Amino acid sequence: AQTVTQSQPEMSVQEAETVTLSCTYDTSESDYYLFWYKQPPSRQMILVIRQEAYKQQNATENRFSVNFQKAAKSFSLKISDSQLGDAAMYFCAYSEFDQGGSEKLVFGKGTKLTVNP
Amino acid sequence: SQTIHQWPATLVQPVGSPLSLECTVEGTSNPNLYWYRQAAGRGLQLLFYSIGIDQISSEVPQNLSASRPQDRQFILSSKKLLLSDSGFYLCAWNVGGYNEQFFGPGTRLTVL
Repeated sequence: AQTVTQSQPEMSVQEAETVTLSCTYDTSESDYYLFWYKQPPSRQMILVIRQEAYKQQNATENRFSVNFQKAAKSFSLKISDSQLGDAAMYFCAYSEFDQGGSEKLVFGKGTKLTVNP
Repeated sequence: SQTIHQWPATLVQPVGSPLSLECTVEGTSNPNLYWYRQAAGRGLQLLFYSIGIDQISSEVPQNLSASRPQDRQFILSSKKLLLSDSGFYLCAWNVGGYNEQFFGPGTRLTVL
């Protein structure tokens, strides 16, 4: 089974600064999707950004961007100009199909991001 | 637009009591549906997923079960709760392949 590893249980950043959250994954597939989800204290899971493996260009959504290194199986999230509202748990996720053709997300264990004023 | 509902929002149950958590999706047809559990300080563990009515797959052996009586309704049940069933339960949906999943607001379950 594929695995997703987030090696940083906790990270902190000063407001307005930039922070990078790490994620690595293990797969033998060549075509797949990767996602970053944010879970604020409300515990609502919110999609931050998605990356399609066949696209070489790194995805960007406003202040959020990824560094996708397919050969290294690395998918890091960069948050620029950090804001207090960015404080949350961040989960990296990999999309896979099982033998029956059903799609599943495999999540990392998360990184807790603290933003200091 | 699509929306996903879960209820109840919070639940406190004694050990050995039954459980029924409900999830419904509006604004889409034939969604894939998922149940996750998130224990304190941990990531999401996939419990069940369903690609259609009466098509449910279980990921982890446990005393929980899932049913999908209608296309957009997904129910998580237990006949006898254990202390270890405490956690935050999230329902999610998507359609098609390789698409992101959309999550409900969750149910916080405490088993005493």
